Amino acid sequence: EVQLVESGGGLVQPGGSLRLSCAASGFTFSDHYMDWVRQAPGKGLEWVGRTRNRANSYSTEYAASVKGRFTISRDDSQNSLYLQMNSLKTEDTAVYYCARCSYGSGSYFLDYWGQGTLVTVSS
Amino acid sequence: AIQMTQSPSSLSASVGDRVTITCRASQGIRNDLGWYQQKPGKAPKLLIYAASNLQSGVPSRFSGSGSGTDFTLTISSLQPEDFATYYCLQDYNYPLTFGGGTKVEIK
Repeated sequence: EVQLVESGGGLVQPGGSLRLSCAASGFTFSDHYMDWVRQAPGKGLEWVGRTRNRANSYSTEYAASVKGRFTISRDDSQNSLYLQMNSLKTEDTAVYYCARCSYGSGSYFLDYWGQGTLVTVSS
Repeated sequence: AIQMTQSPSSLSASVGDRVTITCRASQGIRNDLGWYQQKPGKAPKLLIYAASNLQSGVPSRFSGSGSGTDFTLTISSLQPEDFATYYCLQDYNYPLTFGGGTKVEIK
């Protein structure tokens, strides 16, 4: 059974840092691209970023709103995905989801999601 | 960035109704579109990928169509468990972008 479990959320002051983790199980983690998606309270979904797999040099992509402040990394030996968040702003307050990216019929899609972890940026 | 315009933003429907939700991309995205269902307090769930492919385990009353800029999610006969918010997501280029969501409520 595919499982994704996020952790590391909490309350942080503006300008602070936080590192989220996502523990994966039930599939070959190293084969897959992995994404982070967030949802501010009462709002819609916002894509945060993606890390590709080793075959694609672990390259990353980011939303403009987080580029230069957030860094996605992964440890395939630990089946873990990370999101390092620096220079946090109040508008980064959201539930953060990790999601597995799969490929089929010529397209990528997010087929499994974690339960999410809440990040609150407030003084 | 590609803009995904989803409509309507909300709708009221009855059990058994046929429901259609649309997503329009600001530029052509081939068939690189997925549809997701989200219930309150829960993670999104993939329904449709590559515009028209039903994800394993998803009921056949859900279907997707479209290519290029215009896409549709159809629920052929709305069931009580289908009351939720639905989002489209384009994976054609970066940054990936979601539609604004469609909340399906009970009439």
